[in-house]
Amino acid sequence: QVQLVESGGGVVQPGKSLRLSCAASGFTFRSFGMHWVRQAPGKGLQWVAVISYDGSSKYYADSVKGRFTISRDNSQNTLWLQVNSPRAEDTAVYYCAKEDTVLVPDYWGQGTLVTVSS
Amino acid sequence: DIQMTQSPSSLSASVGDRVTITCRASQGIRNDLAWYQQKPGKAPERLIYAASSLQGGVPSRFSGSGSGTEFTLTISSLQPEDFATYYCLQHNSYPRTFGQGTKLEIK
Repeated sequence: QVQLVESGGGVVQPGKSLRLSCAASGFTFRSFGMHWVRQAPGKGLQWVAVISYDGSSKYYADSVKGRFTISRDNSQNTLWLQVNSPRAEDTAVYYCAKEDTVLVPDYWGQGTLVTVSS
Repeated sequence: DIQMTQSPSSLSASVGDRVTITCRASQGIRNDLAWYQQKPGKAPERLIYAASSLQGGVPSRFSGSGSGTEFTLTISSLQPEDFATYYCLQHNSYPRTFGQGTKLEIK
């Protein structure tokens, strides 16, 4: 079955960097686009970024554009989110999600918590 | 960007009740809308996609309808496991946008 496991979260100082990973299994990773979605403590879901199945197309939320970079390695079945110059408002649980053939997230990982604090 | 306005933000209901949650898009999105359920401390789970297509394994008491700018999620007869937070997501254009969420609580 589809399994998505995020890692790399933790406490990061404002202005530093962090890279989140998402290890995928149970499906043909190279055939599907992948998303990052985040949820600040006690708040709703916020879409962050998407990358196409082959990595050729990427889109970002305005709030992270220029600071976050989504990437993937289809040979390793792994998705990443590079978080640069984090701010306090980036504190959230970050979920990776697989999209289906209609480009909608269907399966989600359990999330990894990023806390931006000095 | 497309704004999604979800209502109500919270709702109290009883087991067996029929419940409806609404999402309105700031511009037409055809039928490009999904609904998710999230329980505390858990990842969201997809219930509906393309406005009215039921995700495999989801009980038939869940249904979705609408197109263009107005969409609804209906639970025909609430069960104890349905008390959760529900979100809509437009998948018509980037950036994708979620509704603010509806917290469904036991009356």
